[in-house]
Amino acid sequence: GQQVMQIPQYQHVQEGEDFTTYCNSSTTLSNIQWYKQRPGGHPVFLIQLVKSGEVKKQKRLTFQFGEAKKNSSLHITATQTTDVGTYFCAGGAGNQFYFGTGTSLTVIP
Amino acid sequence: NAGVTQTPKFQVLKTGQSMTLQCAQDMNHEYMSWYRQDPGMGLRLIHYSVGAGITDQGEVPNGYNVSRSTTEDFPLRLLSAAPSQTSVYFCASSRNRGERNTIYFGEGSWLTVV
Repeated sequence: GQQVMQIPQYQHVQEGEDFTTYCNSSTTLSNIQWYKQRPGGHPVFLIQLVKSGEVKKQKRLTFQFGEAKKNSSLHITATQTTDVGTYFCAGGAGNQFYFGTGTSLTVIP
Repeated sequence: NAGVTQTPKFQVLKTGQSMTLQCAQDMNHEYMSWYRQDPGMGLRLIHYSVGAGITDQGEVPNGYNVSRSTTEDFPLRLLSAAPSQTSVYFCASSRNRGERNTIYFGEGSWLTVV
């Protein structure tokens, strides 16, 4: 069945360091969405990628969708304490979403 | 515009008790769903609905019932609570079932079964 794997599960970084989380699907996706969940909060939509090889930026966040539409990444440049939280990818296929297991980011001041 | 509203936010149940988690959305969304979130397991789909009167099972439906009598409401019922159902529950909605729609989550319900 459809699976979306996300790595790493946890990441601790010093404030100012970069951070990357990766999402991999066993099959081709229609699109990929990214969500952020602050500690104690609920997932909130960040962005959607639809095209093969697409790259989108939101300030210090860079999102990529692989050429084969089977993988994606989220890269944060120069992390800040406000980046703390869990980042989820959600792969879309066949009118369904398949959530990754999430990457929990801790930023050490 | 309240978005997706879930109640209660916190609940402690004894094993064997039943309860209903309420969910309402005011965005006229066709698609609603319930997820549970457990450490290291991400978000797992329990049940979903593509419109009033239509529901279907997700990945982990056992022990839960749902109904969708109106577009706005999608309650989740725990029939006989078990400690394995201790989790954080999120109700979510989107415009329709299409995978390119944004998912809007409620604030979550923290459930502990003792």
